[in-house]
This record gives sequence, C-alpha cells and structure tokens, in this order.
Amino acid sequence: DVKVTQSSRYLVKRTGEKVFLECVQDMDHENMFWYRQDPGLGLRLIYFSYDVKMKEKGDIPEGYSVSREKKERFSLILESASTNQTSMYLCASSPGTGVFEQYFGPGTRLTVT
Amino acid sequence: EDQVTQSPEALRLQEGESSSLNCSYTVSGLRGLFWYRQDPGKGPEFLFTLYSAGEEKEKERLKATLTKKESFLHITAPKPEDSATYLCAVQAGGATNKLIFGTGTLLAVQP
Repeated sequence: DVKVTQSSRYLVKRTGEKVFLECVQDMDHENMFWYRQDPGLGLRLIYFSYDVKMKEKGDIPEGYSVSREKKERFSLILESASTNQTSMYLCASSPGTGVFEQYFGPGTRLTVT
Repeated sequence: EDQVTQSPEALRLQEGESSSLNCSYTVSGLRGLFWYRQDPGKGPEFLFTLYSAGEEKEKERLKATLTKKESFLHITAPKPEDSATYLCAVQAGGATNKLIFGTGTLLAVQP
C-alpha cells in the first residue's frame, strides 16, 4: 500500500511566523503535490514537483514556497503566515508521467491566529 | 477553462435507498477521471480511475460510469458507513500530471 505521511495533524501558529509542513511518501513516486482545502472551494493546487529539486507553481502559489531535496520528501513553507492561510493542507504523490491516481496523506489542519 | 462540477452538493439517503452522484466536466482532452472518498478530517481515499467514455468500474456498493461529458457514481443499497464526501477529479490533456477537482458531494446515509 502507498503510504503518504504528513508531519503534523494539527498546527497552531501566530501571524508572521515561518511555518514548515513536511510530507513523506514511501512508494518511490516521482510526483508530489501540495493542496489546500477550504469549504466551498474544494482542493486547490499550491505547488507540485515532478522530480528532485524541480518544482512548478499550481493555481495559488502566492505566500508559499516548496522544497524537494530528496525524492521521498516534499516540504511546504509559509514564509510569513497570515490568517487567510488557515486551512487544511493535503499532500499527495503519484508515479511517473501518464494517467495515474494521486495518493493523499491524512492532512494538516493549520490555524493561524 | 477546464472545469469540474459536482451535483448535488449534499444528499441524504435512507439506508438501502439507491441513488447517483454526478460529475460533469469541460476539459481540453480528457486523459482520466478519478473518484475519491473523503471522511471528515482525513485525506481523500482513491476509489476509481476511468479513462474513456463507456467505461465502468465497480467496488462493493459503488459503480462509476463515464460519458463524454460526465461521470456518475451509483450507490446501490447504501449503508451508514458509506456516508462521506465524494470527490471527482479530471486529468486534462497535455504533459501535466495535475488534477482538477470538483467541490464534492456530501453524502449522508441514515439507518
């Protein structure tokens, strides 16, 4: 079974703090993704990576950055957290190129106060 | 613009009462359509992939079908444990591995 793990289930941070969310997958997948999920808006893609040290912007990259130094690990960074970044953050991975389902982690519920 | 729309937003069924969820899409060259189940506070769980019109997939009480414009998730004789949000996503044409998600249908099955 594919396993995607995220570093925290719940996180509370203050406005202006730098926040790191980490994601690890154990299936040697090339592609990794970060989404945020908000009521009524669905899942929105923040950034994705198709290889180590490679990254591409998704639909809502503003205020976020990412890092992929190893194939199995993909980090999402909030440089200066703001209250409008309070959300559920979901990491996913998928193999190779082509048509493949994405496998999701359990999510991190981030609250910025 | 590529778009995925799910309906209804919410559906309440009695146990055993069969129904269908709809996912309509407009994309430039569909490469694949995916169904996920999401329980509250958890990440989506993959259910099915459909690749071309006419294709069908089944798993227990769930059956997914695909046409050129939409997909249906049929739920036969649902049980309370089928209660969840069901998400539809599409992968459009091109080299990208990105998925475009709908906003989901919240299904509640009452005993």
